[in-house]
Amino acid sequence: SAVISQKPSRDICQRGTSLTIQCQVDSQVTMMFWYRQQPGQSLTLIATANQGSEATYESGFVIDKFPISRPNLTFSTLTVSNMSPEDSSIYLCSAEVGANVLTFGAGSRLTVL
Amino acid sequence: GENVEQHPSTLSVQEGDSAVIKCTYSDSASNYFPWYKQELGKGPQLIIDIRSNVGEKKDQRIAVTLNKTAKHFSLHITETQPEDSAVYFCAASGSGYALNFGKGTSLLVTP
Repeated sequence: SAVISQKPSRDICQRGTSLTIQCQVDSQVTMMFWYRQQPGQSLTLIATANQGSEATYESGFVIDKFPISRPNLTFSTLTVSNMSPEDSSIYLCSAEVGANVLTFGAGSRLTVL
Repeated sequence: GENVEQHPSTLSVQEGDSAVIKCTYSDSASNYFPWYKQELGKGPQLIIDIRSNVGEKKDQRIAVTLNKTAKHFSLHITETQPEDSAVYFCAASGSGYALNFGKGTSLLVTP
């Protein structure tokens, strides 16, 4: 099964700044996904990122706030723009490693002051 | 879209007892139902999954059952151990690729 590395693992950010989270997969994957997990809550899909096409965003998430890059089959980035305290959360990268089967990174825990 | 309900939200069992977590889903087109275990500070880890053409699947102390007619599926953990303590999430996936997750069950296994 694929191994996903995410960085940073955690960060403390100032209101109004932006942060880019990097996700590296140790094998080529077609589909990658970004999820948000607010403290003590479930996972909410932000967007689907396929190489060679624009990311597809779920309801409530927009590209201006969460721009995503997918330059190749092993890498993706998620930027959280113009952060506010409400963006404090764990951001999880995942990849499809089999039919519908997802594996997850360890997550990036962001705290916005 | 798909709506996944999960119960209970918390569950405490004695070591050696069984634990059962139940989920229901709304989209009859859903055909893939995984269970993830998330330990503190870690990402979710797939522990078992089932597809709609199967009614039950077992892997050592863990089993999952699926009732497509009633649109519910359950996780069964037998002979629980303290290291089973974690948050467990069910999920469902249908016509799209993305997984829709339940709200999670915090399982505590006490020695």
